[in-house]
Amino acid sequence: AQSVTQLGSHVSVSEGALVLLRCNYSSSVPPYLFWYVQYPNQGLQLLLKYTSAATLVKGINGFEAEFKKSETSFHLTKPSAHMSDAAEYFCAVSNYGQGAQKLVFGQGTRLTINP
Amino acid sequence: KAGVTQTPRYLIKTRGQQVTLSCSPISGHRSVSWYQQTPGQGLQFLFEYFSETQRNKGNFPGRFSGRQFSNSRSEMNVSTLELGDSALYLCASSLGSATDTQYFGPGTRLTVL
Repeated sequence: AQSVTQLGSHVSVSEGALVLLRCNYSSSVPPYLFWYVQYPNQGLQLLLKYTSAATLVKGINGFEAEFKKSETSFHLTKPSAHMSDAAEYFCAVSNYGQGAQKLVFGQGTRLTINP
Repeated sequence: KAGVTQTPRYLIKTRGQQVTLSCSPISGHRSVSWYQQTPGQGLQFLFEYFSETQRNKGNFPGRFSGRQFSNSRSEMNVSTLELGDSALYLCASSLGSATDTQYFGPGTRLTVL
């Protein structure tokens, strides 16, 4: 079974600083990995996804993530944080057994941006 | 293209009642998945429907059920509500394969008193 671990339930950075949100996965098959963002009182919005093409994936709003098989990691980064990045971020792995689609999520990381 | 819509957005029920939530997927999407989000358990998969058939099911009791109609719209039903069922219920639609992006609706906030 696949699983995802997000290190750090809360991360706080200053505006303009580097954002690094950590995600490690466990999967017995080549994984498909996703990062979603959730703003208060809203659903989830896809930031980016890895589907076995390029290991460095660029997403929306200046975010990117690098798939590292040797470290079983898929960390999310952004060079310069903006106040509007404050939200909760979820890493997910797709469990595609039997052709079905199911996302297994990490516990989430709440990102706070300090002015 | 219109996004995923969920109705109602907010619901208040009492223990023992039942509730039905509705989800309209993005036009052309045949897969609809349901997730429960709570502060304690996070995001948990309930079930997925594809072309009116349940393709996958999470570890929830039988009180949680769903169905999908021929137009891909989906409903989720919870019977005999318990306090612990209070949660944000999210619906997501996609074309249906493992690499396809799931697009989420805004959710239905269910409060059980």
